[in-house]
Amino acid sequence: DVKVTQSSRYLVKRTGEKVFLECVQDMDHENMFWYRQDPGLGLRLIYFSYDVKMKEKGDIPEGYSVSREKKERFSLILESASTNQTSMYLCASSPRGEPPYGYTFGSGTRLTVV
Amino acid sequence: LAKTTQPISMDSYEGQEVNITCSHNNIATNDYITWYQQFPSQGPRFIIQGYKTKVTNEVASLFIPADRKSSTLSLPRVSLSDTAVYYCLVGDVADSSYKLIFGSGTRLLVRP
Repeated sequence: DVKVTQSSRYLVKRTGEKVFLECVQDMDHENMFWYRQDPGLGLRLIYFSYDVKMKEKGDIPEGYSVSREKKERFSLILESASTNQTSMYLCASSPRGEPPYGYTFGSGTRLTVV
Repeated sequence: LAKTTQPISMDSYEGQEVNITCSHNNIATNDYITWYQQFPSQGPRFIIQGYKTKVTNEVASLFIPADRKSSTLSLPRVSLSDTAVYYCLVGDVADSSYKLIFGSGTRLLVRP
């Protein structure tokens, strides 16, 4: 079964810390995405990547950066964590090609910044 | 990207058929319609995708009228485990810059 694995299910970090959220997919997908999900705001796209070393800003990139050095791995970096970055973070991947297909999401990382 | 409109919530009972309609008046020629399901504390899960007429898989059916300005996700004989949020998304999946933009979704509650 295809899989997107996020390194941590729960994380607690202190304000000002640099935080790394890791995502690995085993499906040889070209595209990878990071979303955050907050009550009442739904899923919002932070960054995405269509290929190794490529990255593009989503709707809410401020305070975040990403790294994609290998096709299977897409990392989200919080340069200096703040309490308003407390959220559920979801990674997803998708193939580039003809439909039908869909995104595969990871189980999420619930990050709390204190 | 085409904007979608769905009901905020729906209630149903076990064993009933549930139909969730999504409006997408600005759908483009190359756009596909995709539905996702999300349980609490989990990532969304792909349910079904279609372009026109009817698509059916082991989980659901998707009905798309000729003008494609709306679509209906049909869940046959729902159970309690179908309680979730359902998202309708529209976009050109063959476009190399395609990305999912989620709306608010429809919160389905299935009662015993």
